[in-house]
Amino acid sequence: EVQLVESGGGLVQPGRSLRLSCAASGFTFDDYAMHWVRQAPGKGLEWVSGISWNSGSIGYADSVKGRFTISRDNAKNSLYLQMNSLRAEDTALYYCAKLTQELLLFDAFDIWGQGTMVTVSS
Amino acid sequence: DIQMTQSPSSLSASVGDRVTITCRASQGISNYLAWYQQKPGKVPKLLIYAASTLQSGVPSRFSGSGSGTDFTLTISSLQPEDVATYYCQKYNSALFTFGPGTKVDIK
Repeated sequence: EVQLVESGGGLVQPGRSLRLSCAASGFTFDDYAMHWVRQAPGKGLEWVSGISWNSGSIGYADSVKGRFTISRDNAKNSLYLQMNSLRAEDTALYYCAKLTQELLLFDAFDIWGQGTMVTVSS
Repeated sequence: DIQMTQSPSSLSASVGDRVTITCRASQGISNYLAWYQQKPGKVPKLLIYAASTLQSGVPSRFSGSGSGTDFTLTISSLQPEDVATYYCQKYNSALFTFGPGTKVDIK
């Protein structure tokens, strides 16, 4: 079964850092681009960041550029999101998601994790 | 950056009704468009990709059309289990922007 499991969320003070992880199983992780999407409470979906299968191509939303860093470890079938200088507006449920087709940069997201909640508050 | 808009923002329809949701891109995106369904408290689910290709396992009452800047998601006969928020998403470039969503409920 294809599965994505996020972890690492929690309550953090403004200005501090947090690292999210996403453990993948059931598919050949190193053949797929992976992404992070977030959803603030009661709000819509916001794409955060994406990384190609070989880490050669990376993108960020303007709202997180310069503060967040996406990475992956294909040997560990894991995706990460390092979040620095956190702000109240970063409070959201963070999902990881995989692309539908292997070895593509631009495609829809067919599998999503259950999400990990990040709350930024003093 | 390309902006995505959706209309209406919400709608209420009767069981069996035909429902149409529109998504518009501020610039052409060819057919690099997906539709997702998110039921309350649940994870988003891919319905349609490449503007009109139905994801495996999705009921055939869902269909998508369009290319360039204007796209539609149609539910041919609304069912109670279709109560959800529907999002479009572009994926033609490094910014995978979502639309603001359309909330669908039963009248």
